[in-house]
Amino acid sequence: GEDVEQSLFLSVREGDSSVINCTYTDSSSTYLYWYKQEPGAGLQLLTYIFSNMDMKQDQRLTVLLNKKDKHLSLRIADTQTGDSAIYFCAESRGTGRRALTFGSGTRLQVQP
Amino acid sequence: EPEVTQTPSHQVTQMGQEVILRCVPISNHLYFYWYRQILGQKVEFLVSFYNNEISEKSEIFDDQFSVERPDGSNFTLKIRSTKLEDSAMYFCASKQGDSPLHFGNGTRLTVT
Repeated sequence: GEDVEQSLFLSVREGDSSVINCTYTDSSSTYLYWYKQEPGAGLQLLTYIFSNMDMKQDQRLTVLLNKKDKHLSLRIADTQTGDSAIYFCAESRGTGRRALTFGSGTRLQVQP
Repeated sequence: EPEVTQTPSHQVTQMGQEVILRCVPISNHLYFYWYRQILGQKVEFLVSFYNNEISEKSEIFDDQFSVERPDGSNFTLKIRSTKLEDSAMYFCASKQGDSPLHFGNGTRLTVT
């Protein structure tokens, strides 16, 4: 199966919280990341968490990591229309080809 | 904050032509990467580069591809004879040891 899996699509209303989920397979991951990609644009690093942490909060973003279940989530509080984008989960296991393995991305659509 | 820069932002070329995509990684970074994202698809690893040589490459990175660090600042990806299926967004990235990967904004390559 895939190393990193995400659901493809999430739709929320403006002002609600969004929760984007990700599962990964390898327990030796060192860092787990969330990247944001707007249409036609590059990859913007939103936040990352070291594998020995279980939570990280950064303004409207909260990352939760469940190492036992190999589950990572990104919660966006008070979601805005500008948050509409594709969100990629990624995991890192080293510096070579495993520097970063991406999920397929979750398209977040925020409705006014 | 230092960033990875890529040029050009968009390159259009004819099938069979050679293209060189350019990147300037963050100055104190030691590990360099190229990734590719075909429109609507996952971000895929192409190659990693360390200590002036390729450290790992994917099955996509065949004999048509090469990378070079011609001086102390640039990191290039050359595609010798482009094919239609090489059309994609190409991302350069760099990191310093066990740190997050920093991406450039990408070069959109269109092969006609």
